[in-house]
Amino acid sequence: QVQLQESGPGLVKPSQTLSLTCTVSGGSISSGSYYWSWIRQPAGKGLEWIGRIYTSGSTNYNPSLKSRVTISVDTSKNQFSLKLSSVTAADTAVYYCAREGCGGDCSNDYWGQGTLVTVSS
Amino acid sequence: AIWMTQSPSLLSASTGDRVTISCRMSQGISSYLAWYQQKPGKAPELLIYAASTLQSGVPSRFSGSGSGTDFTLTISCLQSEDFATYYCQQYYSFPYTFGQGTKLEIK
Repeated sequence: QVQLQESGPGLVKPSQTLSLTCTVSGGSISSGSYYWSWIRQPAGKGLEWIGRIYTSGSTNYNPSLKSRVTISVDTSKNQFSLKLSSVTAADTAVYYCAREGCGGDCSNDYWGQGTLVTVSS
Repeated sequence: AIWMTQSPSLLSASTGDRVTISCRMSQGISSYLAWYQQKPGKAPELLIYAASTLQSGVPSRFSGSGSGTDFTLTISCLQSEDFATYYCQQYYSFPYTFGQGTKLEIK
């Protein structure tokens, strides 16, 4: 059973860079045709897709965030990461990591529990 | 970006009822449509992908239909554990987008 777990600071100051890591257990991040995604949800609001990465390093980003987002993968640690620069209060949200299965045909079948990141001075 | 209109935003129903939730796309997405269930404080859970394929372990009272621009999630015979918020998501083109959500509450 694949499990994903987000980790990182819960508080980030405005204008700084938000950094989160997702650790995958129960399977190799490199095996199979999977993409690894980040999705966020402000409190009481809907879901926003941030982007995804394939283990080859190929990425796709949401254009609304593209200039500030970097998603990377470390196959040796079975982890992938999110960096979001120049954050503002609008970036305060629960951040989820998720797996996109079937080479992208099955959508996000496994999710982490989510981690709340608050942007505040 | 593909715009999605999910309706209704709030749905009141009773245990045992049959309910439907709609998701309409601004352009055709073939069958690249997923449905998720989210309970308070929890991550979304995948119910249906490819518009009508039931995710492993999901009860058969959940079903999905549609293709192109119009999609429907149906829950037959509501159970107490089904009261939650439901989201549709298109994964046909970037950026992937989600519907606004439908909160299913007990009448």
